[in-house]
Parts: sequence; C-alpha cells; structure tokens
Amino acid sequence: AQSVAQPEDQVNVAEGNPLTVKCTYSVSGNPYLFWYVQYPNRGLQFLLKYITGDNLVKGSYGFEAEFNKSQTSFHLKKPSALVSDSALYFCAVRAAMDTGRRALTFGSGTRLQVQP
Amino acid sequence: EAQVTQNPRYLITVTGKKLTVTCSQNMNHEYMSWYRQDPGLGLRQIYYSMNVEVTDKGDVPEGYKVSRKEKRNFPLILESPSPNQTSLYFCASSLGGGAYNSPLHFGNGTRLTVT
Repeated sequence: AQSVAQPEDQVNVAEGNPLTVKCTYSVSGNPYLFWYVQYPNRGLQFLLKYITGDNLVKGSYGFEAEFNKSQTSFHLKKPSALVSDSALYFCAVRAAMDTGRRALTFGSGTRLQVQP
Repeated sequence: EAQVTQNPRYLITVTGKKLTVTCSQNMNHEYMSWYRQDPGLGLRQIYYSMNVEVTDKGDVPEGYKVSRKEKRNFPLILESPSPNQTSLYFCASSLGGGAYNSPLHFGNGTRLTVT
C-alpha cells in the first residue's frame, strides 16, 4: 500500500526567509508525486508535480520541490516566503505503474504560517 | 473559466435524511472523484469515475453512492446520513485516458454536518 508522511503539522517562518515543507512517501515502483495548496474556504490547488527527469521541479508561485529517490522524499521549498504563502499544504503520491484506479494518496497536511 | 462547481457549500442535516451533493465540471474531463477531508487524516477517496457510467469504490465508500450519467456531473448521494459522515467533501476532476499524471482540479468544498 502506498503512503505519505508529512511529519510537521505546522511550519512557522518569517517573511523573506526560505521555507521547507517536508514529505516522505512509500510506493511500489516509481512514484508520481504532487504538491497541492489549500487556502481557507477553498479547494486544493495544484502547485507542482514530479513524474520523471530532473529531480528539482519548479511550480507555481515560486515554489519548487526536490525529489530524492534514496530518501523517498519530496520536500517543498521556496527561497523567500511571503505572508500570502500561509496556507495548508498537501503532498500526494501514486504509483506510476497503477494504470487502474489513479487514486492519489494524500498526506495529512502541513500548515504553513509566515509571519510578517 | 475552467472550474469544478459543488453545491451546496454548507449543509446541516439530521440523521437518516437523504441528501445529494452536486458536482459539475466544465473541462470535459473523463475522470472525477469524491474525497472527504478530516483533521489529521488528509483527504480520503470515497468514489471515483473513469468515464460516463463507469464508477468504482475508493478507500472509504461505506454509506455513500454516486452516479455518472453525464460526463460533466458526478453527484454524491448519502441515502441515510450518520454523524460520522460529518466532514468536508471535495469533488475533483482530471484528464483521463493515459494522462495518469495529470493534476486534479478541485471544487471549493461542501461542509456537511449531520446531527
């Protein structure tokens, strides 16, 4: 069975500082990895994905994520945080070989709080 | 504007009273899915549909029904709601076919309270 762990319920960072939101995964075979962001009273919005190729993936709003196969991690990063980045972030995984159900497994979410 | 529309946004009901949450997408997506979001548990898939008239159970299907008679609509039906179905529900859609890495597009959610 596939799984995702987001070890931090909340991450606090000062505006202008770099941020990292951690994600580790477990899946059979190669993974497809995603990050989504959820703002208050809204649905999840897609940020970026890793399918294959370059381990550093760039996405929306200046976010990037680094895929590390040996550590089974896909941490979300941003060089300089903004107050408007404050939201709930979800990591998700599915097995590349799973051509049937296409179900993503989501982590429990990490709340990012950026202080002015 | 490309979007997934859920209605209602908020719903309070009583145990046993049948309800339907509607979901519609205007992107001609083949794949649609329902999730519930509970604190500390992330999102869990309830049902999904690969195309019209093709539906299947997700991880937590008990107490729910769905139908997919048209490509754009994917309603979620609770025939006899119970308090443990109090949750935040999301509908999502994406491209189907071989696009297994295409991202999901989510609706804004339906907050359901069953008393």
